[in-house]
Amino acid sequence: DIQMTQSPSSLSASVGDRVTITCRASDNIGTYLNWYQQKPGKGPKALIYAASSLESGVPSRFNGGGSGTYFTLTINNLQREDLATYYCQQSKRTPYTFGQGTKLEIK
Amino acid sequence: EVQLLESGGGLVQPGGSLRLSCATSGFTFSSYEMNWVRQAPGKGLEWIAYISPGGTTIYNADSVKGRFIISRDNANNIVYLQMNSLGAEDTAVYYCGRDRGSGYKPIDSGFDYWGQGTLVTVSS
Repeated sequence: DIQMTQSPSSLSASVGDRVTITCRASDNIGTYLNWYQQKPGKGPKALIYAASSLESGVPSRFNGGGSGTYFTLTINNLQREDLATYYCQQSKRTPYTFGQGTKLEIK
Repeated sequence: EVQLLESGGGLVQPGGSLRLSCATSGFTFSSYEMNWVRQAPGKGLEWIAYISPGGTTIYNADSVKGRFIISRDNANNIVYLQMNSLGAEDTAVYYCGRDRGSGYKPIDSGFDYWGQGTLVTVSS
């Protein structure tokens, strides 16, 4: 199975900050990498697919990058509504494994 | 508008069974791959099952292999998860997720829509 490792597991930032979350795959997954946002008490929401493609309706302050085994999710100009847990997921092959999640808190 | 709505969760005793449903609307259901993902209380997301558009190809996570069965009814736009031999470790919120596409290219993979989830609690 492909293992996905996210860091940090949690972070706290202020409105207007830029934050970066990293995700590492245990095997080369090309750009079969997706990011999801899960707000408290809600189901996940798609943010980015194919490593860097923005889902329709997602604000442009969200950016994804990387390929192979190293990926990043950057949130520019952090907003209060970005309070959530963020997950990466590889969709190269089953089992479609997720990272353990990064809980983002707003100071 | 694409919608996915899970139902069928509840309290079940260890060793029992439960069938979850995910009713869909707003898209051509028979053209899309579907998945089930679960989330134990306070934990992360775990993919558990996949089914191809025609229902002929199925994949399961090792954690549920031989106990859970994914199926679909393309006439009524529903995907199911039959869960048998349930244990405490199966307690979780269960989500269905629509696969973006065929998966042959990165832009055609990943889950683009999710339901709101249904809670399954396994306890005596």
